Amino acid sequence: DAKTTQPNSMESNEEEPVHLPCNHSTISGTDYIHWYRQLPSQGPEYVIHGLTSNVNNRMASLAIAEDRKSSTLILHRATLRDAAVYYCILIIGAGSYQLTFGKGTKLSVIP
Amino acid sequence: GAGVSQTPSNKVTEKGKYVELRCDPISGHTALYWYRQSLGQGPEFLIYFQGTGAADDSGLPNDRFFAVRPEGSVSTLKIQRTERGDSAVYLCASSRTSGSYNEQFFGPGTRLTVL
Repeated sequence: DAKTTQPNSMESNEEEPVHLPCNHSTISGTDYIHWYRQLPSQGPEYVIHGLTSNVNNRMASLAIAEDRKSSTLILHRATLRDAAVYYCILIIGAGSYQLTFGKGTKLSVIP
Repeated sequence: GAGVSQTPSNKVTEKGKYVELRCDPISGHTALYWYRQSLGQGPEFLIYFQGTGAADDSGLPNDRFFAVRPEGSVSTLKIQRTERGDSAVYLCASSRTSGSYNEQFFGPGTRLTVL
């Protein structure tokens, strides 16, 4: 199984940018990189995904290393509502659907 | 529009009892997934439906667990002879279709407690 490695926890000050790293050294060419987050007492929420190129949406940016062995989720300006567990997930193969969650990174935002 | 809804939000039962957990996906989503999340862990995949059929049930832990989606919309996860180890949050998700480029929309979960 392709696996991801993330720090257990990170802290950020409110209104500052946050860079959440993820290592996925066994990634193969058709594996998509997805990020989900889970706020306390809620179901996971999709954040962003990418394959090879960097991606931006209204929630975040995803920076993918040139060799694709790592990626970084960037929250441009952290708010208290961004405090959550962030999961970096590889979806293996173009036709796959199964999300394999690790333990993720627990992000704390300090007012 | 309405998101994924799950009922009940909480269910307390006794060991050995039968329970049913319901999921209403987003209208028009053909793919539906069930996950289970134990305390302090990430969600674990249980089963995936494409339309009415279970396309992948490899995550179901044993034959006490069964899920149906008879009309390709609402799904029910059924657990027979519940055990204390079944206590967890059961999450349902749906997506427009399957495929690695599709985001999955999750419901709030049903917290099952087996006494």
